[in-house]
Amino acid sequence: GDSVTQTEGQVTVSESKSLIINCTYSTTSIAYPNLFWYVRYPGEGLQLLLKVITAGQKGSSRGFEATYNKETTSFHLQKASVQESDSAVYYCALGETQVVGQLTFGSGTRLQVYA
Amino acid sequence: GPKVLQIPSHQIIDMGQMVTLNCDPVSNHLYFYWYKQILGQQMEFLVNFYNGKVMEKSKLFKDQFSVERPDGSYFTLKIQPTALEDSAVYFCASSPGTGGTEVFFGKGTRLTVV
Repeated sequence: GDSVTQTEGQVTVSESKSLIINCTYSTTSIAYPNLFWYVRYPGEGLQLLLKVITAGQKGSSRGFEATYNKETTSFHLQKASVQESDSAVYYCALGETQVVGQLTFGSGTRLQVYA
Repeated sequence: GPKVLQIPSHQIIDMGQMVTLNCDPVSNHLYFYWYKQILGQQMEFLVNFYNGKVMEKSKLFKDQFSVERPDGSYFTLKIQPTALEDSAVYFCASSPGTGGTEVFFGKGTRLTVV
């Protein structure tokens, strides 16, 4: 089967500091998985932050970056300098190009940024 | 941006009764989905729906579950009869097409079966 692992349930970071949220994946059924980061801001629905569909490529959005590493089966989310407005829950997800919307999600990492 | 609306945000139902969860997807989208998240667990795919038919369903999509989108209106998830283990947050989502297009999610409906 497919699985996505996020090891940190919660991360607390001071404003302007750097951030890394870990994500590793495993799949036995998808030859070329697509990888995603979704975010849920307080009171909002889940929304796509960034996606990468090709191994070795990097995706970026709103100052966040993630590189699709097939060797280490990882897709860590990074930001050089976080802001209070980045406080949210971040979900790593895995999907298949031809089966849109059938995503396997990680358990989520709650990011709390304090001033 | 485009919004998927789910009404109501919270629903309480007696075990054994029927419940229908409503979703108003983005207007020009063609693919529709339901996900289930039990408290403290990961969000898991239930089903996807296209052109009036279920395309894929997971093992979580029990025989008591059904989905439909009559006349292009609300996309609904019906559970009949409900069981205690159906208590969860149910997320509706929609997308315009295939090939890596973005999926838009609603805020979820928390279903409590008592």
